[in-house]
Amino acid sequence: QVQLQESGPGLVKPSQTLSLTCTVSGDSISSGSYYWSWIRQPAGKGLEWIGRIYTSGSTNYNPSLKSRVTISVDTSKNQFSLKLSSVTAADTAVYYCARDGYDSSGRRVYFQHWGQGTLVTVSS
Amino acid sequence: DIQMTQSPSSLSASVGDRVTITCQASQDISNYLNWYQQKPGKAPKLLIYDASNLETGVPSRFSGSGSGTDFTFTITSLQPEDIATYYCQQYDNLPPTFGGGTKVEIK
Repeated sequence: QVQLQESGPGLVKPSQTLSLTCTVSGDSISSGSYYWSWIRQPAGKGLEWIGRIYTSGSTNYNPSLKSRVTISVDTSKNQFSLKLSSVTAADTAVYYCARDGYDSSGRRVYFQHWGQGTLVTVSS
Repeated sequence: DIQMTQSPSSLSASVGDRVTITCQASQDISNYLNWYQQKPGKAPKLLIYDASNLETGVPSRFSGSGSGTDFTFTITSLQPEDIATYYCQQYDNLPPTFGGGTKVEIK
C-alpha cells in the first residue's frame, strides 16, 4: 500500500519560495502510470488543486498558479516536490500530496491516496 | 474552470437519519466525479469514485449517483463517526475542481 508524507518548512516569508517534498513509500515513484499531485487547503476553506506530474515527467498546473509553480520528481529519493514562488499570505494553507490508483477493473481512480498534509504559513 | 456547487453547506441530522448532499457541475462532466470525507485535522478520504463506485473498505451506507451535471451523495443511516465535511470533485477537465463542502453534524 503506497504511503505519502509531506515535509518542508512550516514558515515562509512573503515574496520567498515555498518548497515542499512528498516522500513515497510502499511503491516506486518511477513505476506504474500515475499522476502525483499537490493540493492545498486554507484554514476553514475548500480544496484547491495545484498541479501534477506524471510518471513520465510531464506536468500540468492550475492556470491560477501556473506562473509560480514548479513540480519535479527525484526518482533516486522516491520523492516529488513542489516549489511555489513569490508567496503571499494568501498561500498560507495545509498542503497535501496525492496519487491516483486503479480499481479491480483497471480503471484509474483519481486522488485515491493522500498524505497527511503539512501546514505552511506565510508570514514575516 | 468547471464550477462545482454543493448544497447544503451544512446540515444537522439525527443518528439513523438518511442524509443527502447534492453537487451540481457548471457543465457536463459525465460520471467523472469523486466524493470525499474529511474529518478535522485529517486529509480527505476518498469514498466514491466515478460518481457511484464505492471505494474499497468504505461502508455500504455511503452511496453516490448521477451523471452529467447533477449528482447526489447519500448516507442511508447516519452514524456518529460520519461527522465530517464532505466534498465533491470533478476530474473531467483540468484543473480538477472541488465543491465548497458540506459540514455534517449530529442533531
